[in-house]
Amino acid sequence: GAVVSQHPSRVICKSGTSVKIECRSLDFQATTMFWYRQFPKQSLMLMATSNEGSKATYEQGVEKDKFLINHASLTLSTLTVTSAHPEDSSFYICSAIPVQSTDTQYFGPGTRLTVL
Amino acid sequence: AQSVTQLGSHVSVSEGALVLLRCNYSSSVPPYLFWYVQYPNQGLQLLLKYTTGATLVKGINGFEAEFKKSETSFHLTKPSAHMSDAAEYFCAVSDNPDKLIFGTGTRLQVFP
Repeated sequence: GAVVSQHPSRVICKSGTSVKIECRSLDFQATTMFWYRQFPKQSLMLMATSNEGSKATYEQGVEKDKFLINHASLTLSTLTVTSAHPEDSSFYICSAIPVQSTDTQYFGPGTRLTVL
Repeated sequence: AQSVTQLGSHVSVSEGALVLLRCNYSSSVPPYLFWYVQYPNQGLQLLLKYTTGATLVKGINGFEAEFKKSETSFHLTKPSAHMSDAAEYFCAVSDNPDKLIFGTGTRLQVFP
């Protein structure tokens, strides 16, 4: 149980385009999902906390207009990287906390974004 | 503010040898402590966690960790390394599950 999926697993896009990444909790409902960014050989940095039905909470230094987060249902959150640039290339990972078990985050497999 | 320090960015062991990955934390409140494993190009998988209760926590794949409040440590151990244990390991601390603070990770290599 507690499976989180992400789609796509890899995406390559041109500079200036927008990319949407989906995060789904497959076998549980999650009122809270998180988006992380991981640079090569580095740790995960929390970008934002996504709550179902409300606006996301962004960490300091994360541009909310660039990284649009939508959490429209209890099983789906999306991250849209708008007007992507090469410096946005990274590994993006989402996680979710089950409604019925609030002390553990379960992580998705990640999405590798490459902006040319 | 909470923080996590993982000593040793790389650890190498022989197959069958003891695995010890070190994690020290800083927290002003009783912490939640986690160990996650990450295989190449994959997300994080929970190995084990400490929230309350017994300080020796057993996780998946034969790993365990002991919460030592006096030493502010949560070291990860496994008695006998397997080739499949080669991965990146992250220690994380939180005062609630909403804000995980990760360490910088330790890459474990296992040699035959």
